[in-house]
Amino acid sequence: AQKITQTQPGMFVQEKEAVTLDCTYDTSDQSYGLFWYKQPSSGEMIFLIYQGSYDEQNATEGRYSLNFQKARKSANLVISASQLGDSAMYFCAMRALTSGTYKYIFGTGTRLKVLA
Amino acid sequence: GAVVSQHPSRVICKSGTSVKIECRSLDFQATTMFWYRQFPKQSLMLMATSNEGSKATYEQGVEKDKFLINHASLTLSTLTVTSAHPEDSSFYICSAARLAGFSYNEQFFGPGTRLTVL
Repeated sequence: AQKITQTQPGMFVQEKEAVTLDCTYDTSDQSYGLFWYKQPSSGEMIFLIYQGSYDEQNATEGRYSLNFQKARKSANLVISASQLGDSAMYFCAMRALTSGTYKYIFGTGTRLKVLA
Repeated sequence: GAVVSQHPSRVICKSGTSVKIECRSLDFQATTMFWYRQFPKQSLMLMATSNEGSKATYEQGVEKDKFLINHASLTLSTLTVTSAHPEDSSFYICSAARLAGFSYNEQFFGPGTRLTVL
């Protein structure tokens, strides 16, 4: 079964410090994609970073990096130099091929609070 | 960048009425649109996958007669909540994926529609 697990319902981090948000996944597919999204209180889903299953290097996008450990089936998000505006809900998601159709499966999310 | 709009952003209706939510890809053609539902402080749950010109594929447990989806063009999909009841109150989010030829690595989300049924 395809599944995304985020075990941290909430996290705190001091401003300017780095924080790691955990994500593990389960799939039998060889080809899949892993995503992280940010959802502020406004509700919009903001795409942060993507990692393909065949990508050998960890994805990076500015202050965001994805620590991809394929053997452990983990895709942790690292936010460096946290800012107050980073306070939001963060969702890990996986693109999976199910019955011939691509679907996106989301984890339960981690609420990040950046402290001044 | 790819922009997806949703209308309305917020709707309050009486129980028993039907509500239509539009999802438009503004600057690209989307063969596939997804409709999600999100309850407060919970994750996004996929309701259905909408392909242009064909019937939507509903997830298990989602009533297709309750949640009517129409994907009439490459830039527009609609979700109609028929005979809405208070338990249908939720945040509905659509997303759109680009045509083949682009990387299928991203889906672009609309800003969401908050439905409140009284």
